Amino acid sequence: AQSVTQLDSHVSVSEGTPVLLRCNYSSSYSPSLFWYVQHPNKGLQLLLKYTSAATLVKGINGFEAEFKKSETSFHLTKPSAHMSDAAEYFCVVSGRKGTYKYIFGTGTRLKVLA
Amino acid sequence: DVKVTQSSRYLVKRTGEKVFLECVQDMDHENMFWYRQDPGLGLRLIYFSYDVKMKEKGDIPEGYSVSREKKERFSLILESASTNQTSMYLCASSRQYTDTQYFGPGTRLTVL
Repeated sequence: AQSVTQLDSHVSVSEGTPVLLRCNYSSSYSPSLFWYVQHPNKGLQLLLKYTSAATLVKGINGFEAEFKKSETSFHLTKPSAHMSDAAEYFCVVSGRKGTYKYIFGTGTRLKVLA
Repeated sequence: DVKVTQSSRYLVKRTGEKVFLECVQDMDHENMFWYRQDPGLGLRLIYFSYDVKMKEKGDIPEGYSVSREKKERFSLILESASTNQTSMYLCASSRQYTDTQYFGPGTRLTVL
């Protein structure tokens, strides 16, 4: 069975400092892993996706994530936070191939301080 | 760019009313999904559809039904709205045999 755990419900950083949002997963299969961002009262926007082609995945808005099989982790990073990055971030693992289902993490709310 | 649109951003309804939430995608995707999002509970799958007129129950289908008469449109129906259905509803779509879902902007439904 698949599961995903986001280790921090809230993260605060100062503008211009690095961002680290942590995600661990469990999967019986080679997973597809995703990060989505949700700004207040908006839908979810795809940041990036891992599909086993490369362990370091670059996404939009300067975000990237590294897939570490030995640690079952898929942490999201950004070198320098911007005020516009303040949002909720979801780590997602896809279900067994062919089921189409997503398993969502509980979300990490990122606060960026001026 | 994939575009998923939802008919309303905000909706207020009375208990017992029949409520229709509409979702349209413009990328010819086969799969469409309805989720609800609640604080502390995250996103939960209500129903999904992998083809026209096909549907499957998700994790929380009780109190909801769906309709997919055309490939681009997926409707969520609350037969008799109740206050515990006050929530944010998100629609998503994906191409057949791929797992990347694209989400609409959401409909915030309040049932009084």
